[in-house]
Amino acid sequence: AQSVTQLGSHVSVSEGALVLLRCNYSSSVPPYLFWYVQYPNQGLQLLLKYTTGATLVKGINGFEAEFKKSETSFHLTKPSAHMSDAAEYFCAVSEWGAQKLVFGQGTRLTINP
Amino acid sequence: EPEVTQTPSHQVTQMGQEVILRCVPISNHLYFYWYRQILGQKVEFLVSFYNNEISEKSEIFDDQFSVERPDGSNFTLKIRSTKLEDSAMYFCASSYNEQFFGPGTRLTVL
Repeated sequence: AQSVTQLGSHVSVSEGALVLLRCNYSSSVPPYLFWYVQYPNQGLQLLLKYTTGATLVKGINGFEAEFKKSETSFHLTKPSAHMSDAAEYFCAVSEWGAQKLVFGQGTRLTINP
Repeated sequence: EPEVTQTPSHQVTQMGQEVILRCVPISNHLYFYWYRQILGQKVEFLVSFYNNEISEKSEIFDDQFSVERPDGSNFTLKIRSTKLEDSAMYFCASSYNEQFFGPGTRLTVL
Protein backbone atom coordinates (compact mmCIF):
# COMPACT_ATOMS: atom_id res chain seq x y z
CA ALA A 1 0.00 0.00 0.00
CA GLN A 2 1.12 3.53 -0.67
CA SER A 3 1.39 6.23 1.96
CA VAL A 4 2.57 9.82 2.28
CA THR A 5 3.99 11.60 5.30
CA GLN A 6 4.26 15.36 5.40
CA LEU A 7 6.54 16.59 8.15
CA GLY A 8 5.12 19.64 9.86
CA SER A 9 1.42 20.35 9.84
CA HIS A 10 2.16 24.05 10.02
CA VAL A 11 5.10 25.96 8.54
CA SER A 12 5.60 29.67 8.99
CA VAL A 13 8.14 31.73 7.01
CA SER A 14 8.81 35.39 6.43
CA GLU A 15 8.02 37.04 3.12
CA GLY A 16 11.04 36.66 0.86
CA ALA A 17 12.41 33.65 2.76
CA LEU A 18 12.91 30.13 1.44
CA VAL A 19 9.91 27.84 1.56
CA LEU A 20 10.59 24.15 2.23
CA LEU A 21 7.72 21.72 2.67
CA ARG A 22 8.70 18.13 3.33
CA CYS A 23 7.12 15.02 1.88
CA ASN A 24 8.16 11.40 2.21
CA TYR A 25 6.35 8.57 0.51
CA SER A 26 6.11 4.83 0.60
CA SER A 27 5.42 2.88 -2.57
CA SER A 28 6.13 -0.65 -3.77
CA VAL A 29 6.31 0.51 -7.39
CA PRO A 30 7.90 3.55 -9.04
CA PRO A 31 5.66 6.34 -7.86
CA TYR A 32 3.94 9.20 -9.54
CA LEU A 33 4.23 12.16 -7.15
CA PHE A 34 2.20 15.34 -6.92
CA TRP A 35 1.91 18.54 -4.98
CA TYR A 36 -1.47 20.23 -4.75
CA VAL A 37 -2.33 23.60 -3.22
CA GLN A 38 -5.64 24.46 -1.58
CA TYR A 39 -6.55 28.08 -0.95
CA PRO A 40 -9.25 28.81 1.64
CA ASN A 41 -12.70 27.60 0.53
CA GLN A 42 -11.37 26.40 -2.80
CA GLY A 43 -10.59 23.08 -4.44
CA LEU A 44 -7.24 21.47 -5.07
CA GLN A 45 -4.97 22.92 -7.71
CA LEU A 46 -2.06 20.96 -9.14
CA LEU A 47 1.27 22.70 -8.47
CA LEU A 48 3.57 20.15 -10.06
CA LYS A 49 4.06 16.47 -10.70
CA TYR A 50 6.78 13.89 -11.17
CA THR A 51 6.16 10.90 -13.40
CA THR A 52 9.41 9.82 -15.02
CA GLY A 53 12.57 11.48 -16.30
CA ALA A 54 14.11 14.58 -14.78
CA THR A 55 13.99 14.40 -11.01
CA LEU A 56 13.79 18.16 -10.52
CA VAL A 57 10.38 19.35 -11.60
CA LYS A 58 9.20 22.91 -11.87
CA GLY A 59 5.63 23.96 -11.28
CA ILE A 60 3.47 27.01 -11.19
CA ASN A 61 4.04 30.10 -9.04
CA GLY A 62 7.80 29.51 -8.80
CA PHE A 63 7.59 26.21 -6.92
CA GLU A 64 9.77 23.21 -7.64
CA ALA A 65 10.29 19.77 -6.15
CA GLU A 66 12.99 17.14 -6.38
CA PHE A 67 12.34 13.41 -6.47
CA LYS A 68 14.97 11.57 -4.44
CA LYS A 69 14.46 7.85 -4.73
CA SER A 70 17.16 6.95 -2.21
CA GLU A 71 15.47 9.13 0.40
CA THR A 72 11.89 8.38 -0.74
CA SER A 73 11.30 12.11 -0.65
CA PHE A 74 9.63 14.75 -2.79
CA HIS A 75 10.15 18.03 -0.95
CA LEU A 76 8.60 21.23 -2.26
CA THR A 77 10.63 24.44 -2.37
CA LYS A 78 10.34 28.04 -3.42
CA PRO A 79 13.31 30.42 -3.16
CA SER A 80 11.35 33.48 -2.05
CA ALA A 81 7.97 33.34 -0.33
CA HIS A 82 5.18 35.70 -1.29
CA MET A 83 2.15 36.59 0.79
CA SER A 84 -0.07 34.95 -1.84
CA ASP A 85 1.60 31.59 -1.14
CA ALA A 86 -0.30 31.27 2.14
CA ALA A 87 -2.39 28.11 1.69
CA GLU A 88 -2.61 24.40 2.51
CA TYR A 89 -0.25 22.17 0.55
CA PHE A 90 -0.82 18.49 -0.03
CA CYS A 91 1.65 15.91 -1.27
CA ALA A 92 0.14 12.89 -3.02
CA VAL A 93 1.29 9.63 -4.59
CA SER A 94 -0.20 7.24 -7.12
CA GLU A 95 0.98 4.13 -8.91
CA TRP A 96 0.21 5.54 -12.33
CA GLY A 97 -1.22 8.68 -13.80
CA ALA A 98 -4.92 7.99 -13.57
CA GLN A 99 -4.95 5.81 -10.49
CA LYS A 100 -6.32 7.05 -7.17
CA LEU A 101 -4.28 9.59 -5.26
CA VAL A 102 -3.13 8.92 -1.72
CA PHE A 103 -2.67 12.21 0.10
CA GLY A 104 -0.56 13.32 3.01
CA GLN A 105 -2.03 15.18 5.95
CA GLY A 106 -1.26 18.55 4.48
CA THR A 107 0.95 21.44 5.56
CA ARG A 108 -0.49 24.84 6.26
CA LEU A 109 1.93 27.52 5.07
CA THR A 110 1.76 30.92 6.74
CA ILE A 111 3.71 33.89 5.39
CA ASN A 112 4.72 36.61 7.84
CA PRO A 113 5.13 40.17 6.53
CA GLU B 1 -9.56 26.60 -19.76
CA PRO B 2 -11.76 23.56 -19.12
CA GLU B 3 -12.60 22.87 -15.49
CA VAL B 4 -14.48 20.45 -13.29
CA THR B 5 -17.64 21.92 -11.83
CA GLN B 6 -19.66 20.75 -8.83
CA THR B 7 -23.13 21.55 -7.55
CA PRO B 8 -24.29 22.53 -5.05
CA SER B 9 -21.44 24.34 -3.35
CA HIS B 10 -23.04 23.73 0.05
CA GLN B 11 -25.67 21.18 1.03
CA VAL B 12 -27.31 20.97 4.42
CA THR B 13 -29.37 17.88 5.19
CA GLN B 14 -30.94 16.04 8.08
CA MET B 15 -29.48 12.76 9.28
CA GLY B 16 -31.07 9.84 7.44
CA GLN B 17 -31.87 11.82 4.32
CA GLU B 18 -30.57 11.00 0.86
CA VAL B 19 -28.30 13.45 -0.90
CA ILE B 20 -26.98 13.59 -4.45
CA LEU B 21 -23.84 15.51 -5.21
CA ARG B 22 -23.31 16.45 -8.81
CA CYS B 23 -20.19 16.94 -10.89
CA VAL B 24 -19.51 17.83 -14.49
CA PRO B 25 -16.07 16.47 -15.41
CA ILE B 26 -13.86 17.84 -18.17
CA SER B 27 -15.35 16.63 -21.43
CA ASN B 28 -12.56 14.48 -22.91
CA HIS B 29 -11.57 12.86 -19.63
CA LEU B 30 -12.00 9.13 -19.15
CA TYR B 31 -11.55 8.61 -15.42
CA PHE B 32 -13.72 10.08 -12.70
CA TYR B 33 -13.27 10.15 -8.95
CA TRP B 34 -14.81 11.21 -5.68
CA TYR B 35 -12.73 12.20 -2.67
CA ARG B 36 -13.75 13.63 0.65
CA GLN B 37 -12.07 15.83 3.24
CA ILE B 38 -13.40 15.90 6.76
CA LEU B 39 -12.70 19.26 8.38
CA GLY B 40 -9.08 19.47 9.48
CA GLN B 41 -8.15 16.09 8.02
CA LYS B 42 -6.51 14.86 4.86
CA VAL B 43 -8.18 14.26 1.53
CA GLU B 44 -9.39 10.64 1.27
CA PHE B 45 -10.16 8.63 -1.84
CA LEU B 46 -13.69 7.26 -2.09
CA VAL B 47 -14.18 5.78 -5.55
CA SER B 48 -12.94 5.82 -9.12
CA PHE B 49 -15.06 5.22 -12.22
CA TYR B 50 -14.00 4.21 -15.71
CA ASN B 51 -15.84 2.86 -18.71
CA ASN B 52 -19.17 3.16 -16.92
CA GLU B 53 -18.22 1.10 -13.93
CA ILE B 54 -16.45 1.40 -10.61
CA SER B 55 -12.76 0.63 -11.08
CA GLU B 56 -11.74 0.96 -7.44
CA LYS B 57 -13.34 1.91 -4.15
CA SER B 58 -12.10 2.49 -0.63
CA GLU B 59 -13.42 0.92 2.54
CA ILE B 60 -15.21 4.19 3.23
CA PHE B 61 -17.37 3.62 0.14
CA ASP B 62 -19.87 1.22 1.65
CA ASP B 63 -23.40 0.29 0.58
CA GLN B 64 -24.68 3.73 1.56
CA PHE B 65 -22.74 5.25 -1.32
CA SER B 66 -23.29 4.92 -5.04
CA VAL B 67 -22.02 6.65 -8.15
CA GLU B 68 -23.57 7.08 -11.53
CA ARG B 69 -22.86 8.68 -14.85
CA PRO B 70 -26.46 9.16 -15.97
CA ASP B 71 -25.62 10.91 -19.22
CA GLY B 72 -22.55 11.91 -21.16
CA SER B 73 -21.68 14.85 -18.96
CA ASN B 74 -22.71 14.39 -15.31
CA PHE B 75 -21.12 12.24 -12.62
CA THR B 76 -23.03 11.89 -9.37
CA LEU B 77 -22.38 10.63 -5.85
CA LYS B 78 -25.42 9.49 -3.88
CA ILE B 79 -25.47 8.94 -0.15
CA ARG B 80 -28.64 6.99 0.68
CA SER B 81 -29.02 7.65 4.39
CA THR B 82 -26.68 10.34 5.64
CA LYS B 83 -24.93 10.11 9.00
CA LEU B 84 -23.40 12.88 11.07
CA GLU B 85 -19.95 11.57 10.18
CA ASP B 86 -20.66 12.09 6.47
CA SER B 87 -20.24 15.83 7.03
CA ALA B 88 -17.25 16.77 4.89
CA MET B 89 -16.11 18.51 1.75
CA TYR B 90 -16.63 16.22 -1.24
CA PHE B 91 -14.39 16.71 -4.24
CA CYS B 92 -14.98 15.39 -7.71
CA ALA B 93 -12.00 14.91 -10.01
CA SER B 94 -11.54 13.82 -13.58
CA SER B 95 -8.49 12.65 -15.45
CA TYR B 96 -7.07 11.88 -18.82
CA ASN B 97 -3.58 11.38 -17.42
CA GLU B 98 -3.57 13.73 -14.42
CA GLN B 99 -6.38 14.58 -12.06
CA PHE B 100 -8.18 17.90 -12.08
CA PHE B 101 -10.33 18.70 -9.07
CA GLY B 102 -13.58 20.57 -8.77
CA PRO B 103 -14.16 23.24 -6.12
CA GLY B 104 -15.99 20.83 -3.83
CA THR B 105 -19.39 20.49 -2.19
CA ARG B 106 -19.54 21.09 1.52
CA LEU B 107 -22.02 18.62 3.01
CA THR B 108 -23.36 19.36 6.47
CA VAL B 109 -25.45 16.66 8.15
CA LEU B 110 -27.51 17.83 11.11
